[in-house]
Amino acid sequence: GAGVSQTPSNKVTEKGKYVELRCDPISGHTALYWYRQSLGQGPEFLIYFQGTGAADDSGLPNDRFFAVRPEGSVSTLKIQRTERGDSAVYLCASSLWGDRSYNEQFFGPGTRLTVL
Amino acid sequence: KQEVTQIPAALSVPEGENLVLNCSFTDSAIYNLQWFRQDPGKGLTSLLLIQSSQREQTSGRLNASLDKSSGRSTLYIAASQPGDSATYLCAVKEYGNKLVFGAGTILRVKS
Repeated sequence: GAGVSQTPSNKVTEKGKYVELRCDPISGHTALYWYRQSLGQGPEFLIYFQGTGAADDSGLPNDRFFAVRPEGSVSTLKIQRTERGDSAVYLCASSLWGDRSYNEQFFGPGTRLTVL
Repeated sequence: KQEVTQIPAALSVPEGENLVLNCSFTDSAIYNLQWFRQDPGKGLTSLLLIQSSQREQTSGRLNASLDKSSGRSTLYIAASQPGDSATYLCAVKEYGNKLVFGAGTILRVKS
């Protein structure tokens, strides 16, 4: 079946603008994760959804970042008043469940965000 | 706070060599450890997942081991090929379900 998909693949915006990044998880996966990867670094956790609710949003850097998953499937990461430091690749992952030791996370191709 | 370190940061080997990538983590309270591959400009592909109760996992030419008490994992790649060239990332899953990643090892296999 289809893997995790993310749109757009690339987004260029100007400082101060609002952006939305979309993630379509693997069908049937209850858990969804957002990560951010800066150049030369490993991904850093942002937020984790179990179903429709955010189970852990401890990685969101500040209140300009917000994510929703209203129907427990597709998720949108929203960034307000973008700053140049927000430029990174935003990765989405999903897993069948959240809290099992054998639970594997499957990643999408990412959205490359560039803030000019 | 969990910290994951990968050594070496970069590695260049001739085709056919066997090689070992190292990963260490500071807090042994983990659910599992995953090894990923990342090609330039692409997302992450999961290679192997080792549960906290397991010692190793194998898939084809890849073998990953886990020593939870010492906070170490190794990824062994046998008979390396140019197509293995990529960045290899290890990540530990904490009880909060998030993955904590290392910075990766950039592998180049020369033909």
